[in-house]
Amino acid sequence: NAGVTQTPKFRILKIGQSMTLQCTQDMNHNYMYWYRQDPGMGLKLIYYSVGAGITDKGEVPNGYNVSRSTTEDFPLRLELAAPSQTSVYFCASSSTSGVYNEQFFGPGTRLTVL
Amino acid sequence: AQTVTQSQPEMSVQEAETVTLSCTYDTSESDYYLFWYKQPPSRQMILVIRQEAYKQQNATENRFSVNFQKAAKSFSLKISDSQLGDAARYFCAYRLRGGAQKLVFGQGTRLTINP
Repeated sequence: NAGVTQTPKFRILKIGQSMTLQCTQDMNHNYMYWYRQDPGMGLKLIYYSVGAGITDKGEVPNGYNVSRSTTEDFPLRLELAAPSQTSVYFCASSSTSGVYNEQFFGPGTRLTVL
Repeated sequence: AQTVTQSQPEMSVQEAETVTLSCTYDTSESDYYLFWYKQPPSRQMILVIRQEAYKQQNATENRFSVNFQKAAKSFSLKISDSQLGDAARYFCAYRLRGGAQKLVFGQGTRLTINP
């Protein structure tokens, strides 16, 4: 049981390039999330999904896109990378069948845009 | 919109001593959950403790306990017998019961343990 996995762990992009951050969970969780964490700050929600085929914007969605074709995978797409997208990106997932349904986090991807 | 505020950017404590991290939140809802997450230098987010708003009893997990004051909208974390491995950034988080279970995070408190 690997939990939530993210690839890559580190990436440097040039301004204007695009990339996809991968996220996979093996806990059969319906809910998945993408957060970004800027230096010295808390996590902010980018996008979330409550099930395959269903996605919605969070607090800071501009410059990103997501898709959810399967329960396990929730990739985050960056189009036309900008220096303001330099951050650490976390994927998380949660169940809906418990009481607290806490979110389980992946190890994060550190992205630098130069 | 709900907000979470951690007013202590940095804290330090002597090993084996007790330290309390503060968290306040703003919400008009009555049914919600509160969490403390730990982020060590590895940057992995680790759940430390959780509290349901309708439970009056404060949650406890080994050396970690909370002081939940619902009327004051306060949710502080107490770490007893601090250990070097407790050094990390600690985040307070809030979410409503139900819905998309979205978390709202505070800015974090960096905790240093002095040997």
